[in-house]
This record gives sequence, C-alpha cells and structure tokens, in this order.
Amino acid sequence: GAGVSQSPSNKVTEKGKDVELRCDPISGHTALYWYRQRLGQGLEFLIYFQGNSAPDKSGLPSDRFSAERTGESVSTLTIQRTQQEDSAVYLCASGTSGIYNEQFFGPGTRLTVL
Amino acid sequence: AQKITQTQPGMFVQEKEAVTLDCTYDTSDPSYGLFWYKQPSSGEMIFLIYQGSYDQQNATEGRYSLNFQKARKSANLVISASQLGDSAMYFCAMRETATGANNLFFGTGTRLTVIP
Repeated sequence: GAGVSQSPSNKVTEKGKDVELRCDPISGHTALYWYRQRLGQGLEFLIYFQGNSAPDKSGLPSDRFSAERTGESVSTLTIQRTQQEDSAVYLCASGTSGIYNEQFFGPGTRLTVL
Repeated sequence: AQKITQTQPGMFVQEKEAVTLDCTYDTSDPSYGLFWYKQPSSGEMIFLIYQGSYDQQNATEGRYSLNFQKARKSANLVISASQLGDSAMYFCAMRETATGANNLFFGTGTRLTVIP
C-alpha cells in the first residue's frame, strides 16, 4: 500500500506494562510525526523526526514515552509502565520536508490501558 | 492560550446545503499555514485544504473553501452542497514557521452531521 501504516490497530494492556507501537511511513517521506488523540479531543503532538536530525521531543508528556526512527524508515513509539491516562489513539503521520507540506496520517493504534 | 479554537462542538446541516465550520487561531508568527482535516468514524485523518498566511486568495478544493480573514485570525471551512458522506469530525490545524515548530497544532474539532 502507498499510505502510512500502523500496527497494531488495537492494543489492550494492563497498567504497568510496556507497549510498543509501530509506524511505517510513506516511502520517501523524510518527516515523521507521532500524535495522541484522547477520546473526543483533538490531536496532541508528541514527537517529530526529520531525516537524520535530532528529533523534536517537545511534546512527549513524560519520560515514560520514547520513540525511535532509523533513517527514513519505520518508527516505534514506546510507552513504559503504562497508566490508564495513556489510553488514547496514537496517530502517526509522514510528509516531505517543508513547512507548508501536508501530513499524511496513518489509521492509528487504539491503546486501552486497563 | 489555545493556538486553535473551534467553538462548535457539533453542527447539523441539511443535505445539499452549505455549512461553515468556524476556526480561529492565535499566533505571533507572520508566516504560518492553516489546514483542515476530516476524520470519519473509521478514524483516519484526511487532508482537505490548506491556506498559507501570505496567500492572497482564499483556498478552494472542490466543494471545500476556506474563508480566510487574516485580521480576525479566522480560517473558517465552508462545505458547499453537503453530502451524507460529509458527516465526520473536522479539525482545524496550524503550523508556524518562525518558531521552528514542525508539528501541527489542532483544535478540538467540530462534529458535522448531514441530515438527509
């Protein structure tokens, strides 16, 4: 497929467990973003990767959240010691560089922390 | 302060009528971009339309147009000839340039329901 893909589509976990969410961006897109969307809310920025530059982590809500991306490929978002307030849809987007370029979103991963 | 404000949690429109979804923004950056996204119940975010702060004309994309009033800092989305498939959440978003922020700031969204 040509779009952004994310896995898993749904994840249910117990409080205190670690989870790893995956994002496959569109081939050739140098920019990759992670957002969080709580129920009934807009999207909150988490982290941004641009090529091999240092990521912009300014949106990460706590040190339990981290993300990695190797080059311009797959990214993983890791949440350690999950809490119930981490329950949300986690959306990944990719795009080309340039401030006016749109971001293409994946279908999201719905995380439920029991 | 909120960077993007959408004051209409929900809107209803009759099929084939036009509807305006409100969006105001707050920035001191002279260079910015405004985006509208549609999020159907399936959850994906679909890009609709873009307006640059220096664009002289209002953006249009098919049945979507953006009523950009820079002095008022508003970027309302107008959907003409509404269709049942337009029922969805609509999000207004902004990206600033001078601050170097690369992410989009999103509003809380407006749920549009098209009535047959």
